Amino acid sequence: DVKVTQSSRYLVKRTGEKVFLECVQDMDHENMFWYRQDPGLGLRLIYFSYDVKMKEKGDIPEGYSVSREKKERFSLILESASTNQTSMYLCATREYNSPLHFGNGTRLTVT
Amino acid sequence: AQKITQTQPGMFVQEKEAVTLDCTYDTSDPSYGLFWYKQPSSGEMIFLIYQGSYDQQNATEGRYSLNFQKARKSANLVISASQLGDSAMYFCAMRDGSGGSYIPTFGRGTSLIVHP
Repeated sequence: DVKVTQSSRYLVKRTGEKVFLECVQDMDHENMFWYRQDPGLGLRLIYFSYDVKMKEKGDIPEGYSVSREKKERFSLILESASTNQTSMYLCATREYNSPLHFGNGTRLTVT
Repeated sequence: AQKITQTQPGMFVQEKEAVTLDCTYDTSDPSYGLFWYKQPSSGEMIFLIYQGSYDQQNATEGRYSLNFQKARKSANLVISASQLGDSAMYFCAMRDGSGGSYIPTFGRGTSLIVHP
């Protein structure tokens, strides 16, 4: 069974801090994704990566960057956290066009 | 414009009854896939069922079935014999070839509450 692990379940950060959200998968999947989930808005794609060191912007990349130095790890970076980035962040992986496998999510609060 | 539309923010159903969650989609790509995911209050996203655009039969997985009406561009999820554990958020998603990326796009979700 695919395992997608997000490093933190809950995170509280201050405005202006640099924040790293880590995601690790154990299935050698090529594709990895970062989504943001807000009530009433569903899941919105921030960034995705289809290979090591490759990244593509999603629908809402502003204020975020990503890093994929190894195939199994995909990091989401908030360079300077703001209160409007308080949200649930979901990492997912996929093999080709199969269904997404999600991590348990990181609920980030920026104060 | 939204590619996936879920018009029911919330739904209520009595235990053991069937319920239909609506999903309409918009794409000009003849090759696409439709997915339904369940998100219980614990937060994890669970894949339920998949329908490909060229599939001739409606997809079924246990108590879940997908009412796929291609001409209407709808892919409604039917849950038969609802259980209390079915209470959750449900998301419809589509992947198509827009931009060549086949990235799944999600609807806004439907919150289902099953009453005893």
